[in-house]
Amino acid sequence: EAGVTQFPSHSVIEKGQTVTLRCDPISGHDNLYWYRRVMGKEIKFLLHFVKESKQDESGMPNNRFLAERTGGTYSTLKVQPAELEDSGVYFCASSQVTQGSGYTFGSGTRLTVV
Amino acid sequence: SQKIEQNSEALNIQEGKTATLTCNYTNYSPAYLQWYRQDPGRGPVFLLLIRENEKEKRKERLKVTFDTTLKQSLFHITASQPADSATYLCALDEGSNYKLTFGKGTLLTVNP
Repeated sequence: EAGVTQFPSHSVIEKGQTVTLRCDPISGHDNLYWYRRVMGKEIKFLLHFVKESKQDESGMPNNRFLAERTGGTYSTLKVQPAELEDSGVYFCASSQVTQGSGYTFGSGTRLTVV
Repeated sequence: SQKIEQNSEALNIQEGKTATLTCNYTNYSPAYLQWYRQDPGRGPVFLLLIRENEKEKRKERLKVTFDTTLKQSLFHITASQPADSATYLCALDEGSNYKLTFGKGTLLTVNP
């Protein structure tokens, strides 16, 4: 089966600009997660979708971040306006069941805000 | 405060030896503990999951133990190979929500 696909793999934008990251989960996986790794820190949870519904967005840093999953398939994460501290690697993961099983992660989008 | 610590940032061993990585946690009550492997430029790859009521789990050359009294998990790779060189991450799931909380990882290098 195809894995979790993220696009773009790299993005360099200027402070104040908008960037949209995309994640295509494994087909049939209702659960989709966004995580982020900031330089030197551990990977941290951002939010969790079940189908098109946001189950938990407690990890979202602030209201400059907006995640959507229209139709319960692919998801987008928009950062608007981007700040320097938003730089990092954004990972998407999906799973068929919510707990008790491992997640399949994408390769990530490396975002650099200059 | 809550903390997850993986024993060291880097571990170097000789090919053929057993690598042992440690994950200690404070002020968590994990229902599940997972181990992932991450290679440079790639996302984490799921290896093993162990539940709070399980003491040990094995998969091929991998073994995970989970001691909820010591608040510690050990991850072993037996007969290590240079291809096992990667960063290994432990992640906790407290079961009341669906978030994974990750440690910073241990970079394992297996020398030929």
